[in-house]
Amino acid sequence: EAGVAQSPRYKIIEKRQSVAFWCNPISGHATLYWYQQILGQGPKLLIQFQNNGVVDDSQLPKDRFSAERLKGVDSTLKIQPAKLEDSAVYLCASSSVNSVYEQYFGPGTRLTVT
Amino acid sequence: KNQVEQSPQSLIILEGKNCTLQCNYTVSPFSNLRWYKQDTGRGPVSLTIMTFSENTKSNGRYTATLDADTKQSSLHITASQLSDSASYICVVSAGTGTASKLTFGTGTRLQVTL
Repeated sequence: EAGVAQSPRYKIIEKRQSVAFWCNPISGHATLYWYQQILGQGPKLLIQFQNNGVVDDSQLPKDRFSAERLKGVDSTLKIQPAKLEDSAVYLCASSSVNSVYEQYFGPGTRLTVT
Repeated sequence: KNQVEQSPQSLIILEGKNCTLQCNYTVSPFSNLRWYKQDTGRGPVSLTIMTFSENTKSNGRYTATLDADTKQSSLHITASQLSDSASYICVVSAGTGTASKLTFGTGTRLQVTL
């Protein structure tokens, strides 16, 4: 079974620039999550999708972050404009409807904002 | 506010030695507790999951315990190997179904040396 795929793996941008991350969840997984993990901390949930609908985006900084999952499969997370404090690893995870506790994580995208 | 605290923050042990990592939580309503292993540059991988009624679960050299009364969990690693060097994250789930919320600890960084 293929795992959660993310790209790019690394990204370096200057502050005020824009960046987008892509995630392809495990086939058949209806629930998709985006997390932000700052160095030395645990992951923080940014947004949770159930198919193409948003379940929870309470911790998403909506003035600069946006995410979509138009066809209920792939998802993109965008930051515009980036700030220095956005430097982190962005993790995507997915789970099936029958086992929402079993989240499978992708390798993450390490973002450095200079 | 749901919280998960882990200790120690970091740990260095010699190869072959045992170690125990601690997790204290205040999460309600408790659903399950999971330990993840996160290698550097990779996403977290699930080691064990325990529900309210389970007080111990093993996965090879990893043994997790749960005391739901004191809201404490531990992860014991036996006969450590160099490949055990990673961050270990305690994650507690509150609620059920798609409404479940995960609270992540900040992790314990373990380094196994020769």
